[in-house]
Amino acid sequence: GAVVSQHPSWVICKSGTSVKIECRSLDFQATTMFWYRQFPKQSLMLMATSNEGSKATYEQGVEKDKFLINHASLTLSTLTVTSAHPEDSSFYICSAHPPASGSVNEQFFGPGTRLTVL
Amino acid sequence: QKEVEQNSGPLSVPEGAIASLNCTYSDRGSQSFFWYRQYSGKSPELIMSIYSNGDKEDGRFTAQLNKASQYVSLLIRDSQPSDSATYLCAVNAPGGSNYKLTFGKGTLLTVNP
Repeated sequence: GAVVSQHPSWVICKSGTSVKIECRSLDFQATTMFWYRQFPKQSLMLMATSNEGSKATYEQGVEKDKFLINHASLTLSTLTVTSAHPEDSSFYICSAHPPASGSVNEQFFGPGTRLTVL
Repeated sequence: QKEVEQNSGPLSVPEGAIASLNCTYSDRGSQSFFWYRQYSGKSPELIMSIYSNGDKEDGRFTAQLNKASQYVSLLIRDSQPSDSATYLCAVNAPGGSNYKLTFGKGTLLTVNP
């Protein structure tokens, strides 16, 4: 399957600081990437859809000014958590959709970034 | 609102048995269906995709889709302790061009040696 990487794999920061998470598609170009958040023992919650060259589409209830998404190239999307607070501590996972070539709607996930805000 | 329902479990089976995982979805227009496996502390891993009614087999895994009943299942034959994980059902509905998936809450499977 397609390979997606994320960096960093974990981060600890102080309350009020900003944290940037990178998501890269390593062996394919991804016009669309997705950002999810997962709290302990809960399922994946889609935060936003990242579209290369255009603005991200945010899910209802997700603050676009707090979770800044940039998809500047076909292989890189970034999520910046601005002014992070302890309640933002979570497992952030990105996924990418390879170009349609028999794998119509499959998404492949990065390894995730565990954010802890003190 | 589009919903995907799964029994949260835990589902416990002995090693070597068949594990059966079930999922129902609310949007009758859904077209693509996926099963992901997620180990504790890790991100989901795609194990099966199915797009048409019937069965699809891949090794020890068989996905079954019944669009009339809005039901998709995953069978794991000869279950191994390494299969112990949370299994997420995901559904893609038409509309828009962003291939968005809706996930169920997952079923925790435990395979006992």
